[in-house]
Amino acid sequence: EDKVVQSPLSLVVHEGDTVTLNCSYEVTNFRSLLWYKQEKKAPTFLFMLTSSGIEKKSGRLSSILDKKELFSILNITATQTGDSAVYLCAVQTGGGNKLTFGTGTQLKVEL
Amino acid sequence: GAVVSQHPSRVICKSGTSVKIECRSLDFQATTMFWYRQFPKKSLMLMATSNEGSKATYEQGVEKDKFLINHASLTLSTLTVTSAHPEDSSFYICSARDRATGGDSNQPQHFGDGTRLSIL
Repeated sequence: EDKVVQSPLSLVVHEGDTVTLNCSYEVTNFRSLLWYKQEKKAPTFLFMLTSSGIEKKSGRLSSILDKKELFSILNITATQTGDSAVYLCAVQTGGGNKLTFGTGTQLKVEL
Repeated sequence: GAVVSQHPSRVICKSGTSVKIECRSLDFQATTMFWYRQFPKKSLMLMATSNEGSKATYEQGVEKDKFLINHASLTLSTLTVTSAHPEDSSFYICSARDRATGGDSNQPQHFGDGTRLSIL
C-alpha cells in the first residue's frame, strides 16, 4: 500500500522564522511529488517535483526532492502570518491519476 | 485561472437521504475529475476517478452503487451519495486537471473548496 508521511504534524513559529516541512514516501511506480497549501478550503498548488536535486522556488517558498532517500522538503523563509495553513504533500503514482496524500503539517505563524 | 467550483459547501440531512455534490471547472475543460474524501485529522483519500463520457473508476473499497458518479460534460462531474448514513459524514472534495494540457499527468490537479456532509 502506498504511504506518504509528513512531519511535523503541527508547528508554531514566529514571524520571520524559517521553517522546513518534511515528506517521506513509500510508493509503487512513483511519478511525481506535489506540495499544496490548504487554508480554509481548496488546496492550492505550490510545487510539482519529478527529478532529484532540482530545487523549485517561488518567492519565499522552495522545495526539493531526493528520490534516493524517498524524501522531500518544503522550506519557507521569513515566514508571515499569511503562511499559516495546512501544507499537504502528495505523491502521484501509476498512470499519473492517483494522488496519495499525507496527513499534512499544520503551520501557525504568530506575530 | 484553473478554478474549480464545488457545490454545496455544506450539507446537513437525515439518514436515508441521497445527496448530490457538483464539481465544475469554471475556466477550463476537464476530461478527468477526481473525488476525494477526508475524515478528521486524516489524509485526503481518492475515492474515484471520473471520466467524461464513460464510467468512473473506483478505488478499492469504495462502493460504486453507494457513490454514484456522473461526468456528463467537460466541465461538470457529480457525486451522489445514495441512502446516506451517519458513517458517510465526511469532507468530500473534487479536483480536475486541465484538458488543454492533454490531461497530462505532469500537470497538477486543481481542487474545489470541498463539501462538508453531515448525516444525522
